[in-house]
Amino acid sequence: DGGITQSPKYLFRKEGQNVTLSCEQNLNHDAMYWYRQDPGQGLRLIYYSQIVNDFQKGDIAEGYSVSREKKESFPLTVTSAQKNPTAFYLCASRPGTGAPYGYTFGSGTRLTVV
Amino acid sequence: GQQLNQSPQSMFIQEGEDVSMNCTSSSIFNTWLWYKQEPGEGPVLLIALYKAGELTSNGRLTAQFGITRKDSFLNISASIPSDVGIYFCAGRPNTGNQFYFGTGTSLTVIP
Repeated sequence: DGGITQSPKYLFRKEGQNVTLSCEQNLNHDAMYWYRQDPGQGLRLIYYSQIVNDFQKGDIAEGYSVSREKKESFPLTVTSAQKNPTAFYLCASRPGTGAPYGYTFGSGTRLTVV
Repeated sequence: GQQLNQSPQSMFIQEGEDVSMNCTSSSIFNTWLWYKQEPGEGPVLLIALYKAGELTSNGRLTAQFGITRKDSFLNISASIPSDVGIYFCAGRPNTGNQFYFGTGTSLTVIP
């Protein structure tokens, strides 16, 4: 079955460390996205990518970095510069940014700073 | 970014009751989406709306694309315990390709 796989499900980070969250999709979607979710808030866009080797900052990109070397993969690195990284992170994809179709989401990664 | 106002923020209802929630924007949208998120999981698409006035059902769920194109509504009839979760609206304005998300409505169904 096609879908989006995020790993790990739970991740613990020590202060000052960088950590990378994995996102893989086999839907052949061109566009991929990373969102951050905090309690009581909506989904906030961190980064998105419309095609391989290209990505753009979203509303809260500071302290995060991404890469898009393959169509199927869009990993997110939470750097030590991100001061409040504890949150639920969601990866999503769409056929293309121009398509009216909605997002397909992964099951999320919960990151906790210890 | 674009702000979507979703209300109510939370609801506590008895099993069997109907539920209504809505989402409003400050600008005209050409697409509205409704998602459900269960605890610890990613959101799952429930209903997609593509034109003003459109009314679409998915089982006990019905959503409408508002005539003004600045709002959308989701109704759940005869709620059951498995309806528990957070319901998000998402909309795409006429300009640009990005979708924006509401802050969610947390639904609790009391058996």
